[in-house]
Parts: sequence; structure tokens; C-alpha cells
Amino acid sequence: AQSVTQLGSHVSVSEGALVLLRCNYSSSVPPYLFWYVQYPNQGLQLLLKYTSAATLVKGINGFEAEFKKSETSFHLTKPSAHMSDAAEYFCAVSVGRGQNFVFGPGTRLSVLP
Amino acid sequence: GAVVSQHPSWVICKSGTSVKIECRSLDFQATTMFWYRQFPKQSLMLMATSNEGSKATYEQGVEKDKFLINHASLTLSTLTVTSAHPEDSSFYICSALTSGGAIEQFFGPGTRLTVL
Repeated sequence: AQSVTQLGSHVSVSEGALVLLRCNYSSSVPPYLFWYVQYPNQGLQLLLKYTSAATLVKGINGFEAEFKKSETSFHLTKPSAHMSDAAEYFCAVSVGRGQNFVFGPGTRLSVLP
Repeated sequence: GAVVSQHPSWVICKSGTSVKIECRSLDFQATTMFWYRQFPKQSLMLMATSNEGSKATYEQGVEKDKFLINHASLTLSTLTVTSAHPEDSSFYICSALTSGGAIEQFFGPGTRLTVL
């Protein structure tokens, strides 16, 4: 079975600083990987997804993630944090087309002025 | 595209009553929908998978008689929490798969249930 870990339940960065949210996965077969963002009392919005087409994936709002098979990682980055980026971020792994999603525990991002 | 709605967005009910939550795919047909539960400051936990026209598949530990799921059409799935108790208070989120073969799930905005 697949699993996801996210190092750091809470990350704080200053506005304009680099955002790095870590995600490591475990899967016995080539996975699909996702990053979702959740604002308070809202559902999840897809930021980006890895489908094996390219290891560097660009998403919405300036976020990107790089799939590194050797490190079983899929870390999320953004060059310059904005106040509106403050939210909860979830990494997820799937081994089927939309099925068997497993979510990581989430990382809360705070952006300091 | 791929918008999922939930109704109601929040509900407060008395202990012992039943509550129905609707999940609709607005601009696509969803052959499969999922129901998740999220406790404060925690991740999403899959409760059940529902396929249109067939019985839902529940995850281990989820009481199927308490959480009734109906997926009667390609655009609507409902979750009914029967005889609700305060410990059922949570954030319930549905998601849907498009019939077009997309690999991601599209999530609804969630329903906050508070049982008094």
C-alpha cells in the first residue's frame, strides 16, 4: 500500500521568501502525485499533479514541484511567498486513475509580513 | 470545469436526528464519488467510495448503517448520518472522478456538521 509523509506540520516563512514544503511517498508501483491546498472551512483545490510526463511540474499560483524517484520525494516550492498562500497543504499519492488516494498529514503554511 | 458542490455548507442538529448531505457534480458526470471526513487540524480520511447505481464500498471501521451513502445518478451522491451523536461532528468532504479518465479527484467545498 502507498503512503505519504510530510515533514513539518507547520512551516512559517516571511512574505517574499522561498516556500518549501516537503513530501515523501512510498509506493510499490509508479505513482501519481498531487499537491492540494485547503483554506479554512473549504474543500481542496488542486495545485499540481505528477503524471510521469515530466519530473518538474508547474502548477497554479506560481507553485511547482519536482518528482525525484531516487529520493521518493515530491517537494512543493514557490520562489516568493505571498500572504494569500497561508493555508493547509496536502500531498497525496494515487496508484490508480483517481482511485486509492492517500493523503499526507498536511502542512500548515504561515506567511509573516 | 469539473466543479463539485455540497449542500448544506454547514448544519447543526440535535443528537439522535439524521442529517443528509448532498454532493453534486455540476458540469460533468461522475461515475465515482468519494466521501471523506476531516477532524480539526487533521488530514482527510476516506470513509467510502460510491459508484453510480451500486452499493458503496466502506473503509474499514466506518459503520455502513450509520453513514448511508446513495449514488442514484451520475451527478448526485448523498451521505446520510443517521442517529447523529456529538462524536460525529466533523467536516465532511466529497470528491468526484470524471468519466473522462482524469487522474485527479475534484473536491467539493465541504460540509461542517455540528451535533449538539
